[in-house]
Amino acid sequence: SYELTQPPSVSVSPGQTASLTCSGYMLARKYTSWYQQKPGQSPVMVILLSAKRPPGIPERFSASTSGDTATLTISGTQTMDEADYFCQAWDDNTAIFGGGTRLTVL
Amino acid sequence: QVHLVQSGVEVEKPGSSVKVSCQASGGILSTYAINWVRQAPGQGLEWMGGVSPVSGTPNYPQKFQDRVKIIADEGTSTVYMEMTNLKNEDTAVYYCAARGDWDAFEMWGQGTMVTVSS
Repeated sequence: SYELTQPPSVSVSPGQTASLTCSGYMLARKYTSWYQQKPGQSPVMVILLSAKRPPGIPERFSASTSGDTATLTISGTQTMDEADYFCQAWDDNTAIFGGGTRLTVL
Repeated sequence: QVHLVQSGVEVEKPGSSVKVSCQASGGILSTYAINWVRQAPGQGLEWMGGVSPVSGTPNYPQKFQDRVKIIADEGTSTVYMEMTNLKNEDTAVYYCAARGDWDAFEMWGQGTMVTVSS
């Protein structure tokens, strides 16, 4: 079965750039979505179609995909960006989520 | 603006069933496929299945095919997720999420905590 792999944790200093990766076989051939989840809250979509930012999501969030890896980049990271981030793609009509990355801003 | 409002907390015994509802505002059932995703305590997200907005046909991953049923009631704009033969490991927050044309879960309900315990 298809799998998406994310590092469990990433740390970044405020104002710096955070890069969160998501790896899966030939992931560039699929559309990847990214979701942000803060403690006690429901997930929020921050990226769809691998690189498209929906309305209301700050411009500091961007994403790209190459080969087997999708990357969510947060430029000028703010303390409010501290959260869990999940990547997601579809394989054979099944939604697959990565295990999630906890982003710590300190 | 579309909103998904879920039913409240459930506490069930092992072997029993639970039915969680998700009411959609804005008449979105004809446009969005409502899916269900669960999250065990401290764990990641797990897709449980969804229902097509056009045909009403449900789609489940193999893991849940025998225990989960997702039904849409267009008259009340409500989608139900029923899970049978509950186990302790089914304890989780259950979310409904609206999947749009671009295959992303664009909107999420507030979540329903289901606790399975004897």
